[in-house]
Amino acid sequence: GENVEQHPSTLSVQEGDSAVIKCTYSDSASNYFPWYKQELGKGPQLIIDIRSNVGEKKDQRIAVTLNKTAKHFSLHITETQPEDSAVYFCAASKDNNDMRFGAGTRLTVKP
Amino acid sequence: EAQVTQNPRYLITVTGKKLTVTCSQNMNHEYMSWYRQDPGLGLRQIYYSMNVEVTDKGDVPEGYKVSRKEKRNFPLILESPSPNQTSLYFCASSLFWSGGETQYFGPGTRLLVL
Repeated sequence: GENVEQHPSTLSVQEGDSAVIKCTYSDSASNYFPWYKQELGKGPQLIIDIRSNVGEKKDQRIAVTLNKTAKHFSLHITETQPEDSAVYFCAASKDNNDMRFGAGTRLTVKP
Repeated sequence: EAQVTQNPRYLITVTGKKLTVTCSQNMNHEYMSWYRQDPGLGLRQIYYSMNVEVTDKGDVPEGYKVSRKEKRNFPLILESPSPNQTSLYFCASSLFWSGGETQYFGPGTRLLVL
């Protein structure tokens, strides 16, 4: 089955700096790669996703890149703000029955 | 408001005392699933349901049961809870089960089994 590894487990940046979180996956058949943000006391919320037929996707300050050959994908947050502080999860799947999540990255943005 | 609700949000119980965590969604989603979240392990799927009366095991189903008698509800049942089931539980739903459908998560249920 699919195995997803996520790094780093914790990340601390100054407000305004960029943050990058990386994930690798094992199953070359995986074709859907969502990123979730989990704020304290809440459930994960989808912030961006990418499919295997696309190499990069951007939504304002958030972007995701996918390298199918190397089987890794990354989340990029630019101009970070304190409200970006949360736990971020990557996931990979062929369908929702097979979705595997990374262990999570705790991002802290210091004012 | 479109949402997934879970109850209770917090629960402390003792080993062996049966409990049920309810999950309900108001988006007419076909697919629902349960996850548990443990430190350093991310989210792991317990059970899922592709539609009414259709349920199947995820990665960590031992010690859990589910039912899907109605489209909107997907309760998680712990017949005889044990301390290793102490965890944070999330219910999620999506329109369909096929790949690429956004999953919407509930707020979570924090369970402590003594």
